[in-house]
Amino acid sequence: DAGVIQSPRHEVTEMGQEVTLRCKPISGHNSLFWYRQTMMRGLELLIYFNNNVPIDDSGMPEDRFSAKMPNASFSTLKIQPSEPRDSAVYFCASSRAGITDTQYFGPGTRLTVL
Amino acid sequence: GQQLNQSPQSMFIQEGEDVSMNCTSSSIFNTWLWYKQDPGEGPVLLIALYKAGELTSNGRLTAQFGITRKDSFLNISASIPSDVGIYFCAGRSRGNEKLTFGTGTRLTIIP
Repeated sequence: DAGVIQSPRHEVTEMGQEVTLRCKPISGHNSLFWYRQTMMRGLELLIYFNNNVPIDDSGMPEDRFSAKMPNASFSTLKIQPSEPRDSAVYFCASSRAGITDTQYFGPGTRLTVL
Repeated sequence: GQQLNQSPQSMFIQEGEDVSMNCTSSSIFNTWLWYKQDPGEGPVLLIALYKAGELTSNGRLTAQFGITRKDSFLNISASIPSDVGIYFCAGRSRGNEKLTFGTGTRLTIIP
C-alpha cells in the first residue's frame, strides 16, 4: 500500500513568495495532520482534519498560514507571504478514524525561505 | 507547544550494545507511541502501547507503558548499524487525537 505522499520534497523560495505544500493521505484514513519540525522546537502540530473538516488549528503560527482539505485524498498547507523563519521540514500524517489508531507520516517537505 | 521530556538527548554506543531511553510527562497519557526518524525521512512508527504496565516487543525493540501513565521506556538489544537515527516518543491523552512528541534521542553507533 502507498504511504502518505507529500510534494514537493524540497522547496526553496524567496521571502514574500507564496508557498503551497501538498499531501495525499493513505487511502481509507479519515484524519490528516500537518506538523512542522525545527531543531529549536522539535515536532509541532499545526492543524488536523477529521473527515475533511478542520478540528484544531491552534498550532497554526499566524494568519500567513492556511490549510485546506477539499476531499479525502488531498490537503494543502499554504504560507503567504513566506518568511525566513518559516524554514523547516513540514510533515503530513494520516490515521484512520478513532483515537486509538496511530499516525503514519509522509517523507516531509523541506522548505527554505531565503 | 507542549513537549515530553525525553532522555538522553543523544547516545554514542558501539555495535552490539543494548540501548535504553525514556520519556516522562507531567500529564497522564492513555497511549504511548515510539517512532524512529531516519535522515531526510518522516518518523516511522515502531511500537504502540495502550495500557498502563503494558510491555510490547517488536524484534529487538521492547517498550513499556509506565504504571503511572506518565512515562514510557524503549530498549533496543544488540544494536546494529541500521538502528542509527532519532527516536521519538509520543503521548496521547484520553479523548484527544493530538499527539505530544518528545524532544528525541539521537542514536549514533561508533565503529
